[in-house]
Amino acid sequence: AQSVTQPDIHITVSEGASLELRCNYSYGATPYLFWYVQSPGQGLQLLLKYFSGDTLVQGIKGFEAEFKRSQSSFNLRKPSVHWSDAAEYFCAVGLSGGYNKLIFGAGTRLAVHP
Amino acid sequence: SAVISQKPSRDICQRGTSLTIQCQVDSQVTMMFWYRQQPGQSLTLIATANQGSEATYESGFVIDKFPISRPNLTFSTLTVSNMSPEDSSIYLCSVVGGRELAGSTDTQYFGPGTRLTVL
Repeated sequence: AQSVTQPDIHITVSEGASLELRCNYSYGATPYLFWYVQSPGQGLQLLLKYFSGDTLVQGIKGFEAEFKRSQSSFNLRKPSVHWSDAAEYFCAVGLSGGYNKLIFGAGTRLAVHP
Repeated sequence: SAVISQKPSRDICQRGTSLTIQCQVDSQVTMMFWYRQQPGQSLTLIATANQGSEATYESGFVIDKFPISRPNLTFSTLTVSNMSPEDSSIYLCSVVGGRELAGSTDTQYFGPGTRLTVL
């Protein structure tokens, strides 16, 4: 069965430090992969997505993610974190792009220290 | 890009009652979905709202408990029926496709969510 694993439930970083959020997926075919962010009391905002092509994808707010097929991973990175990045981050896999159900990971809650 | 709104944004309800949540998009979209996010949990798909026909439910969700309507290409409702405290969650709609979202036809965009508390 398809699944998404985000091993880190909570991560705390200092403002200005680099960030990497881990995501591993289990899916038989080439997946459609997404990262969403949920700020407190808000809905989900799309950060970036990977369907095919260049395995390093750029998103909004200075985020990027790299698809590694050999590791079944799609880790999210940011070189310098801002206090406003404090939120919950969800990795998701789509079974046929966005036209079908998304399977979400458990989420990683990011705290940013000044 | 399209604007997705949900009403109500939050509500506190008594056990045994029902609540209908509305999802409105300011442009026509191809697909609409309803998700549930239980406290401290991730999102789980409840159903796909089909325009003009019965919704398609995921395993563990039934129409009697979560009736869904989608009368047109911009609007859908989710009703949480005969509520219990276990139904306390955030309910989110998402949409795919449409002219305003033409640049990302394979991507789901989410509404702001409805936070439901059942006492």
